[in-house]
Amino acid sequence: DTGVSQDPRHKITKRGQNVTFRCDPISEHNRLYWYRQTLGQGPEFLTYFQNEAQLEKSRLLSDRFSAERPKGSFSTLEIQRTEQGDSAMYLCASSLWGFAETQYFGPGTRLLVL
Amino acid sequence: ELKVEQNPLFLSMQEGKNYTIYCNYSTTSDRLYWYRQDPGKSLESLFVLLSNGAVKQEGRLMASLDTKARLSTLHITAAVHDLSATYFCAVAASSGSARQLTFGSGTQLTVLP
Repeated sequence: DTGVSQDPRHKITKRGQNVTFRCDPISEHNRLYWYRQTLGQGPEFLTYFQNEAQLEKSRLLSDRFSAERPKGSFSTLEIQRTEQGDSAMYLCASSLWGFAETQYFGPGTRLLVL
Repeated sequence: ELKVEQNPLFLSMQEGKNYTIYCNYSTTSDRLYWYRQDPGKSLESLFVLLSNGAVKQEGRLMASLDTKARLSTLHITAAVHDLSATYFCAVAASSGSARQLTFGSGTQLTVLP
């Protein structure tokens, strides 16, 4: 399977703990995105990388959130001092720059903060 | 700020019937996407519409884009149970680039026998 993969698929944590999620994009894709989806809503954009450079960040991405994409390959999203409001599905997507560019989504990491 | 509105939010239809889902967006964009999401699963790309008047068809689904009206439609022909899912439209914030997508709230489609 050469699609976008995410790990872990599920994470339960206690409020105040730190969590880290990993995303492996489709190998030739140079763009990588993180979104957050809550129940009954569409995904909301968090941040975007082109190769290793983080080029856009949403206002939703508070200072407790940090994302990296070292060497332009996999990416990590870390949430520090988690809050119950952080409970959501975190989706990663990747794309290849081009005219008909389409973002392909991974299976997501479902986070529950107790 | 770009806003994307879909309607209806919930749709129950009988097998064999036709229906249309509407997607309105608030600012200029020349790039619109339709995705499908099954319960507990991720999003599957259905269509990308790149220009005014664009029409794409795949099986029983047909999508169109009117950039002047800032409107896209997803038409379902002779629905079957397998089409039951949530359908999202998404609009690119920046002209000429996919980059940041703004999604609608989704239309939860249930096809009844």
